[in-house]
Amino acid sequence: EAGVVQSPRYKIIEKKQPVAFWCNPISGHNTLYWYLQNLGQGPELLIRYENEEAVDDSQLPKDRFSAERLKGVDSTLKIQPAELGDSAVYLCASSFGAAEAFFGQGTRLTVV
Amino acid sequence: GENVEQHPSTLSVQEGDSAVIKCTYSDSASNYFPWYKQELGKRPQLIIDIRSNVGEKKDQRIAVTLNKTAKHFSLHITETQPEDSAVYFCAASITGTASKLTFGTGTRLQVTL
Repeated sequence: EAGVVQSPRYKIIEKKQPVAFWCNPISGHNTLYWYLQNLGQGPELLIRYENEEAVDDSQLPKDRFSAERLKGVDSTLKIQPAELGDSAVYLCASSFGAAEAFFGQGTRLTVV
Repeated sequence: GENVEQHPSTLSVQEGDSAVIKCTYSDSASNYFPWYKQELGKRPQLIIDIRSNVGEKKDQRIAVTLNKTAKHFSLHITETQPEDSAVYFCAASITGTASKLTFGTGTRLQVTL
């Protein structure tokens, strides 16, 4: 069984530029999460989807961050414009309902 | 909201020794407590979890204990091996599921030969 797939693995951009991350969850998983992981810290939830509906986006900085999950499968997370403080690892995870969440390998973003 | 504190931030043990990582949580309504292992550059992976109706759970060399009264839970690894070296994260959830996890800051475990 393929795991959660994220791309790109690494991204370096200049500040004020836009950036997008893509996530393909495990087949059949209806719940999808985006987490932010700063260096030396635990993951922090940004947004959670149940199918195509964002049911918890309270921690998503909506002035510059946006996300979508069209058709309830793949998801994209976008930052526009990026700031230096956005440098971090962006993790996607998925689960089937309330079961264990499986993480992707993450996208390491560096804003210069 | 929930706040999870984790100690120690780094832990070095000799191969074969035991390792203990401790976490405390603030919200007494939390009822699901998973532990994740993250090797360098890799994804976090669930290694064990416990729910609030259980005081202890064991899986081979790994065990987790929960004290609801004191609001703390611990990960115990016995007979440590070099491949146990990683960062370990505890987490807590008030929903009983992985849907609303608050993570600790992580413990870097180094198992030396």
